[in-house]
Amino acid sequence: QVQLVQSGSELKKPGASVKVSCKASGYTFTSYAMNWVRQAPGQGLEWMGWINTNTGNPTYAQGFTGRFVFSLDTSVSTAYLQISSLKAEDTAVYYCARASIVVVTATPGWFDPWGQGTLVTVSS
Amino acid sequence: QSVLTQPPSVSGAPGQRVTISCTGSSSNIGAGYDVHWYQQLPGTAPKLLIYGNSNRPSGVPDRFSGSKSGTSASLAISGLQAEDEADYYCQSYDSSLSDVVFGGGTKLTVL
Repeated sequence: QVQLVQSGSELKKPGASVKVSCKASGYTFTSYAMNWVRQAPGQGLEWMGWINTNTGNPTYAQGFTGRFVFSLDTSVSTAYLQISSLKAEDTAVYYCARASIVVVTATPGWFDPWGQGTLVTVSS
Repeated sequence: QSVLTQPPSVSGAPGQRVTISCTGSSSNIGAGYDVHWYQQLPGTAPKLLIYGNSNRPSGVPDRFSGSKSGTSASLAISGLQAEDEADYYCQSYDSSLSDVVFGGGTKLTVL
């Protein structure tokens, strides 16, 4: 079955970096885009952007440029999210989610499936 | 402030029908971009509920239905059950932002 399995929870100090992994199985990894979504405690969903799994080209949403990097290792069907210079406000659950690309807009369509989420806690 | 506006909460008794609205603008829903809906049960990842405005993935009960008109979309849940208690989110694309956008989410309480 199609599934995305993410790495475990992380506790980091302010200023540190973190790398979250998302391993795909059950489908051809390069046939779908991979998206990243943030959910702060008690808050809604925020789209962070997506990465083209064919070309490796990332697209970052407004508010997620600079400290956020999407990357891939297609040999192991895995996508990564790296966040540098962590701040307390980066504390959140981070989800990866698969999507097809809508031809007309060249952007992700619906998200299915989602990874189980990775809690990143930033605290001194 | 989300680009797509949803009511913070709705409620209904078991067996009743509730609707959740998702109001956008001419740069997203009104521009013809599709709306998708997700259900997030407490402590779990979101799950796709409706895609392409009104299509249900396999396995989603036909108690759930979606529609779109003008600059708004709606999710209807009929025959409410206790297990429907969750947060619901709409999603679309906004051409002004060139971003995928989510609604702020609606908490459904089954009384």
